[in-house]
Amino acid sequence: AQRVTQPEKLLSVFKGAPVELKCNYSYSGSPELFWYVQYSRQRLQLLLRHISRESIKGFTADLNKGETSFHLKKPFAQEEDSAMYYCALKDGTGFQKLVFGTGTRLLVSP
Amino acid sequence: DTAVSQTPKYLVTQMGNDKSIKCEQNLGHDTMYWYKQDSKKFLKIMFSYNNKELIINETVPNRFSPKSPDKAHLNLHINSLELGDSAVYFCASSQLAGGGTQYFGPGTRLTVL
Repeated sequence: AQRVTQPEKLLSVFKGAPVELKCNYSYSGSPELFWYVQYSRQRLQLLLRHISRESIKGFTADLNKGETSFHLKKPFAQEEDSAMYYCALKDGTGFQKLVFGTGTRLLVSP
Repeated sequence: DTAVSQTPKYLVTQMGNDKSIKCEQNLGHDTMYWYKQDSKKFLKIMFSYNNKELIINETVPNRFSPKSPDKAHLNLHINSLELGDSAVYFCASSQLAGGGTQYFGPGTRLTVL
């Protein structure tokens, strides 16, 4: 069965510090992975997806099939990065079902 | 504004009541979803419709009944509300052939007293 694990419920860093939000997945097929972000009182929105190999707001994530991981990284955290971050896996059924991790709250302090 | 919208934003009701949440998207997408976010912020898919047809139906109590009058709307009706139904319900939409990016509504916070 597909599963996404985000081991940290809360990650607290100071402004300017590097950030790594961990995500591991379990999936027998070829995974498609996403990071979604939910800022305070806002809707969930896509941050990035692994097939795009892009950097959004300074965040990057690399799919490591050997380690079944898709960790989200940013070299220098900003206060406005404080939010809830969800890693998600799209299964291969063709129906675009997303399986979400439990989320990590990132708190960036000044 | 092109977006996914939900009404109402907040819903407070008594146990045993029946309530509905409405969702509309004007993005031209053919697939819509309902997710439940519990008090621990865990997000889980409940239903998905593609062109008004149910394509995903997770193990959700049959008190929950989605209805899609057209591909731009997906409503969620809940019968005999229970305390455990208290959560934030998110609607989302995507284009099935479009690669998987789902666009979410603002959420409806349901509180059952």
